Amino acid sequence: DTEVTQTPKHLVMGMTNKKSLKCEQHMGHRAMYWYKQKAKKPPELMFVYSYEKLSINESVPSRFSPECPNSSLLNLHLHALQPEDSALYLCASSTRDRGLYTGELFFGEGSRLTVL
Amino acid sequence: KQEVTQIPAALSVPEGENLVLNCSFTDSAIYNLQWFRQDPGKGLTSLLLIQSSQREQTSGRLNASLDKSSGRSTLYIAASQPGDSATYLCAAPETKGGSEKLVFGKGTKLTVNP
Repeated sequence: DTEVTQTPKHLVMGMTNKKSLKCEQHMGHRAMYWYKQKAKKPPELMFVYSYEKLSINESVPSRFSPECPNSSLLNLHLHALQPEDSALYLCASSTRDRGLYTGELFFGEGSRLTVL
Repeated sequence: KQEVTQIPAALSVPEGENLVLNCSFTDSAIYNLQWFRQDPGKGLTSLLLIQSSQREQTSGRLNASLDKSSGRSTLYIAASQPGDSATYLCAAPETKGGSEKLVFGKGTKLTVNP
């Protein structure tokens, strides 16, 4: 099973709302990622969790708050977003060994976020 | 800092043609390189992962090559089909400090005409 599952597929929220995006994988991967993708652009890395610890934060605004409750789950909490945050949010996972080698990345189908 | 460039940005070919997509990267101290496919509005599908110790990797009609010394990778698609129409992205790791960060090229949008 090489599947990364993201929910919801679509989300519309106002600028004062609080919502969460969820991601799940059962491949035993120990690295999980959030990427943001705007139309006709490549994905941009937001956060990386390695062995359930935040290892990379690409200077993302605090209105985006990641959480990794366990090795299979990754959440992205959203609060007070701006219309320019509307994008496709992609979750990914990969193997990551203690020797700092990262294996093949597998992506979910994404959550399409619209901020009104 | 790793930079990844893909040429061409767009490519339109008739069905049945063999084609090559190009990817170049600036930091050759990579341990692997990955090719992805993305259909409009969808997530990325991993096509091939090439390890630094390999020169080629094949999956069906796809063949990817890696030349670390020249900082280049190519994706060869044989006997193209309309279903191959998509954007193809290559990605190389940011190698400093064992980073898990993948740097993506801007992609090549492929259209295969019936």
